[in-house]
Amino acid sequence: QVQMVQSGAEVKKPGASVKVSCKASGYTFSNFGISWVRLAPGQGLEWVGWISAYNGNTRYARKFQGRVSMTTDTSTSTAYMELRSLRSDDTAVFYCTRDVPVVAAPLFDYWGQGTLVTVSS
Amino acid sequence: DVVLTQSPLSLPVTLGQPASISCRSSQSLVYTDGNIYLTWFQQRPGQSPRRLIYKISHRDSGVPDRFSGSGSGTDFTLKISRVEAEDVGVYYCMQGTHGPGTFGQGTKLEIK
Repeated sequence: QVQMVQSGAEVKKPGASVKVSCKASGYTFSNFGISWVRLAPGQGLEWVGWISAYNGNTRYARKFQGRVSMTTDTSTSTAYMELRSLRSDDTAVFYCTRDVPVVAAPLFDYWGQGTLVTVSS
Repeated sequence: DVVLTQSPLSLPVTLGQPASISCRSSQSLVYTDGNIYLTWFQQRPGQSPRRLIYKISHRDSGVPDRFSGSGSGTDFTLKISRVEAEDVGVYYCMQGTHGPGTFGQGTKLEIK
């Protein structure tokens, strides 16, 4: 069965960086992509960006451009999201979700358990 | 940019009664392939989002048949025929026709 297992909660100071991992299993990792979605306190779901595990292409939401990087390691079926220059309003739960391998309508059919990133001085 | 507007934002429902959530798009969601990529998610308290319905009305495996989706063009609806206690949570619509996923604000369903 498909599983997406994310790394544990992080506490960071403003200005720092965080790197969250998402290990996939139960399917051929390189046949799909991974999107990252954020849920901030009191807010709704927000798409952060996408990476293709097929060819490494990425797309990022405008508001995160320049601060976010997404990578994959196909040898371990793991995706990574790094967010830099953290601010207090970056405090949120970040989810990885299985997505399409090329630019097309999103899948979002399987989700990780979420990683809470807390930004506080 | 496409904006999805859900209503109501809060939905108190009596157990066993029906519930309906509306999702309106600021643009038509018909894709170049003729499909409409409108998806519904359920997020129970403390859990990850779960995809319930994709392409307007296709139920995901394991989703009870009391959940149904309908709509066309810019207006879409998620219906629950008889609400059960396990249906408590926040429901989101999402469009995938225009670029990456854009979500509605979410509708919080609670038991009255």
